[in-house]
Amino acid sequence: EIVMTQSPATLSLSPGERATLSCTASQFISNTLAWYQQKPGQAPRVLIYDVSARAAGIPGRFSGSGSGTDFTLTISSLQSEDFAVYYCQQYNKWPQTFGQGTKVEIK
Amino acid sequence: EVQLVESGGGLIQPGGSLRLSCAASGFGVSYSYMSWVRQAPGKGLEWLSVIYSGGNTHYADSVRGRFSISRDTSKNTLFLQMNTLRAEDTAVYYCARGSSAWYDSWGQGTLVTVSS
Repeated sequence: EIVMTQSPATLSLSPGERATLSCTASQFISNTLAWYQQKPGQAPRVLIYDVSARAAGIPGRFSGSGSGTDFTLTISSLQSEDFAVYYCQQYNKWPQTFGQGTKVEIK
Repeated sequence: EVQLVESGGGLIQPGGSLRLSCAASGFGVSYSYMSWVRQAPGKGLEWLSVIYSGGNTHYADSVRGRFSISRDTSKNTLFLQMNTLRAEDTAVYYCARGSSAWYDSWGQGTLVTVSS
């Protein structure tokens, strides 16, 4: 199975700062990568799919980049509602796998 | 509006069985790619199973042979039959609708606790 590794585990930032989250796949996954946001007690919500396509209703401050095995989610200017846990997911091969998550917390 | 509502979770003894349901509205489960994903307490997301519109299924190794995904198109509902439950199956179970192979809609989740 493809292992997805996210870093850092926790990111402590202030509102207005830029957040850069990384996700590395254990093998080539082309552009088959999505990012999800999850807040406490809520289901995940898709932010980005196919590496860089924003899902419907997602603000422009969220962007995705990368290719092959190394991917990045960038939040250009953190808003209060962005403090949450973020997961990457590969859908190149079965089983689909998720990273372990990056928690973005208020500094 | 697309909506997914899970039910059927609860406390079950090790070795027991449980069937989860996911009632869909706003779209047809038979026309979509539907999955079950779980999240153990304080942990990350684990994909479990998928059923394609054509009826083909896939399972994670951790549940293959114990869990079975199915759907009832007349009720527009997705199911997950879980047998031989173990303590490590304790989690919140989500159903999710696939858009291509990523998930654009999720239910609120149902908690399954396996404990004696």
